[in-house]
Amino acid sequence: SQQGEEDPQALSIQEGENATMNCSYKTSINNLQWYRQNSGRGLVHLILIRSNEREKHSGRLRVTLDTSKKSSSLLITASRAADTASYFCATDLDGGFKTIFGAGTRLFVKA
Amino acid sequence: KAGVTQTPRYLIKTRGQQVTLSCSPISGHRSVSWYQQTPGQGLQFLFEYFSETQRNKGNFPGRFSGRQFSNSRSEMNVSTLELGDSALYLCASSLEGRYGYTFGSGTRLTVV
Repeated sequence: SQQGEEDPQALSIQEGENATMNCSYKTSINNLQWYRQNSGRGLVHLILIRSNEREKHSGRLRVTLDTSKKSSSLLITASRAADTASYFCATDLDGGFKTIFGAGTRLFVKA
Repeated sequence: KAGVTQTPRYLIKTRGQQVTLSCSPISGHRSVSWYQQTPGQGLQFLFEYFSETQRNKGNFPGRFSGRQFSNSRSEMNVSTLELGDSALYLCASSLEGRYGYTFGSGTRLTVV
């Protein structure tokens, strides 16, 4: 079973709009990561947020973490067509060495 | 620096055969993890290796095995292939195995 569950499963927006994706997980974590995957390719690491952090920024990305609700959100501001991809949250289990990915959110940005 | 290299990129095998996939991690990365990705099941964790030792494994049958060499290169093997093994197999390397993975482009395996 998946540790992380993304919501929504799919999202379609216009270029320039913001995109928000959510991730919920089940067990305590050390950190939570977000990755992007372009169609049929390998995943690219976007950002990591540690369990003692609440918010983190990287360029147009903003990630929040609420450990009390076991949830995280990824905000992409001013979306571009090139942001079209699947986005996954990932959490580590068993003290690390086993990173589990959610089912992903498919984002489509229309030019 | 060179990225994570997976070979081959595409593979077609027949049911019952076996297959070996290869992964060369980023230089200096000692952790290698393997994932199976399918449309129905998403990304499923197979196993993780660090300094030639398997530290964790997922819920896959014994037909799936792997190993890591002293130069950190890793291979995974699937024996007695089934149609359901058709998937994109992804390898990811990192310094220690806890976060910050760099993924290869994957091997697309088709079992017919």
